[in-house]
Amino acid sequence: AQSVAQPEDQVNVAEGNPLTVKCTYSVSGNPYLFWYVQYPNRGLQFLLKYITGDNLVKGSYGFEAEFNKSQTSFHLKKPSALVSDSALYFCAVLFSWGKLQFGAGTQVVVTP
Amino acid sequence: EAQVTQNPRYLITVTGKKLTVTCSQNMNHEYMSWYRQDPGLGLRQIYYSMNVEVTDKGDVPEGYKVSRKEKRNFPLILESPSPNQTSLYFCASSSGAANTEAFFGQGTRLTVV
Repeated sequence: AQSVAQPEDQVNVAEGNPLTVKCTYSVSGNPYLFWYVQYPNRGLQFLLKYITGDNLVKGSYGFEAEFNKSQTSFHLKKPSALVSDSALYFCAVLFSWGKLQFGAGTQVVVTP
Repeated sequence: EAQVTQNPRYLITVTGKKLTVTCSQNMNHEYMSWYRQDPGLGLRQIYYSMNVEVTDKGDVPEGYKVSRKEKRNFPLILESPSPNQTSLYFCASSSGAANTEAFFGQGTRLTVV
């Protein structure tokens, strides 16, 4: 069965420190992977995607993600976190035409 | 501005009283879907539609209905709401192509008492 997992319910980081949000996946064939962010009382916003090509994908708001096929991972990273990055982050895999399978989400808390 | 619009944003209703949550997109997208978000479970797909008059069940369709009579609209219908349908609901649309992202509405927080 195809699935995506986010092993951490919450990640705490101090402002200015590197931020990593973990995601692993299990799909047959080549994965199409996405990261979305949800701010309080808002819908999900697209951050970045991996379809093919370079393993390091750059996205919105200074975020990037590294695709690792051997480890079946797609971790989200930001070199220097901001307080405004505090939000709920979702990893998702597109495993059929238009359908997204989401992870459970990781709450990121950035403290000043 | 490209957007997905859901209404209402907040709704409190009683068990058994039929309700409809509307969803409209202005991007001429073929693919639309409904998700519910519950703590610790992420977003789970309820129903999806690949085009007008084409709908199918997602992962948690029980207790819900949808229709797709026009390309831009995809309403979610709860014929007889129950408390276990209390949740945060999102409508999403996309072109359906594998390399494009989905656009989400602002969400509808439904409470069934």
